[in-house]
Amino acid sequence: ETGVTQTPRHLVMGMTNKKSLKCEQHLGHNAMYWYKQSAKKPLELMFVYNFKEQTENNSVPSRFSPECPNSSHLFLHLHTLQPEDSALYLCASSHLPPLDGYTFGSGTRLTVV
Amino acid sequence: AQTVTQSQPEMSVQEAETVTLSCTYDTSESDYYLFWYKQPPSRQMILVIRQEAYKQQNATENRFSVNFQKAAKSFSLKISDSQLGDAAMYFCAYRSRSGGGADGLTFGKGTHLIIQP
Repeated sequence: ETGVTQTPRHLVMGMTNKKSLKCEQHLGHNAMYWYKQSAKKPLELMFVYNFKEQTENNSVPSRFSPECPNSSHLFLHLHTLQPEDSALYLCASSHLPPLDGYTFGSGTRLTVV
Repeated sequence: AQTVTQSQPEMSVQEAETVTLSCTYDTSESDYYLFWYKQPPSRQMILVIRQEAYKQQNATENRFSVNFQKAAKSFSLKISDSQLGDAAMYFCAYRSRSGGGADGLTFGKGTHLIIQP
């Protein structure tokens, strides 16, 4: 266990479903991140939260909706996804500045059918 | 924008031998950090080694060392005495020093390292 916990580990959802991914850290970090990892592509940064405020949104489609209720929890709400959204979604956390680096969770493997 | 390129999709090495993974990057900045991360089948990204661009000395961590060539924008990872547990995807990553780090990491596509027993 790295200190960053992601649930669920696997998720299969239909294109009309609504689901949420959860990330939790108790490392005292003040920044949390969502990355998308697709096959044969570099990891893509989706969202960054700094002290619960969103500071980065790399043109992510609105069918992905992040929520950060406090500095320990991060959610990614999903609705009306497309099959190309199937990927591994990784959460990470860090101090700011990230002098100690980033701590990653083990990801949620999402399949959209 | 910064880009990171890993030109070797897959590498194979005999156990106990040495292997070098390549990484090049493109940036207009002079101060930044470079990282190598390992992703085993458990999927968790694990930091292997990091290098600060203003330090000329190459970073080392036990069997892992880097060859950092700032002018060439090259950052290769050498793994000595390869072990079966080293089998994983390896990702090269870049972080700007400016912005306080809130812009996260820029990753390459990764190199799949296979260890032959």
